[in-house]
Amino acid sequence: ETGVTQSPTHLIKTRGQQVTLRCSSQSGHNTVSWYQQALGQGPQFIFQYYREEENGRGNFPPRFSGLQFPNYSSELNVNALELDDSALYLCASSLRDRGNEKLFFGSGTQLSVL
Amino acid sequence: QKEVEQDPGPLSVPEGAIVSLNCTYSNSAFQYFMWYRQYSRKGPELLMYTYSSGNKEDGRFTAQVDKSSKYISLFIRDSQPSDSATYLCAGDAGKSTFGDGTTLTVKP
Repeated sequence: ETGVTQSPTHLIKTRGQQVTLRCSSQSGHNTVSWYQQALGQGPQFIFQYYREEENGRGNFPPRFSGLQFPNYSSELNVNALELDDSALYLCASSLRDRGNEKLFFGSGTQLSVL
Repeated sequence: QKEVEQDPGPLSVPEGAIVSLNCTYSNSAFQYFMWYRQYSRKGPELLMYTYSSGNKEDGRFTAQVDKSSKYISLFIRDSQPSDSATYLCAGDAGKSTFGDGTTLTVKP
């Protein structure tokens, strides 16, 4: 059983640029959630995708967008990067059909915006 | 007010001590409660998962949920240096909402 993998592991961008982060879900999972974790804080929910449709969104502006593909892999896109976007971005997959939310996280992408 | 408030720590204990980690929550819609462990520079790892009031035990770990007072706890018995990590509590009502974590150091 393969776990959740994220790429890249680290990324440095400048303010105003755009970034795409990628995630491969754990085998057999149909739901992917993205979280932003600032230093010293807990993960903050960005959005969730279930069977390729957005299924809930946190308090993040529209410049944060995502996609889920038929193989349940996912992308997080962030446009017009701001300094405050510097954080660890976590992808988590789960099997929502069972009605619970056991999240399996990847190791994250550390994004630095200069 | 955050939906999940967690004792901030940090917490430092000697090896073998009993550790108590605590959270309160305000969202009555939470149906499931989780504890995750996060090592430095890694993603959180699910440690305990409960959906009802009461205790759930798994080895050295016991999760306790009191829905009447909206209080959740994690107890670690016979703590080991390998337990040194940040512990995150979370509640779920369609999406998981996390506390800010408590950093635990277990000293040999």
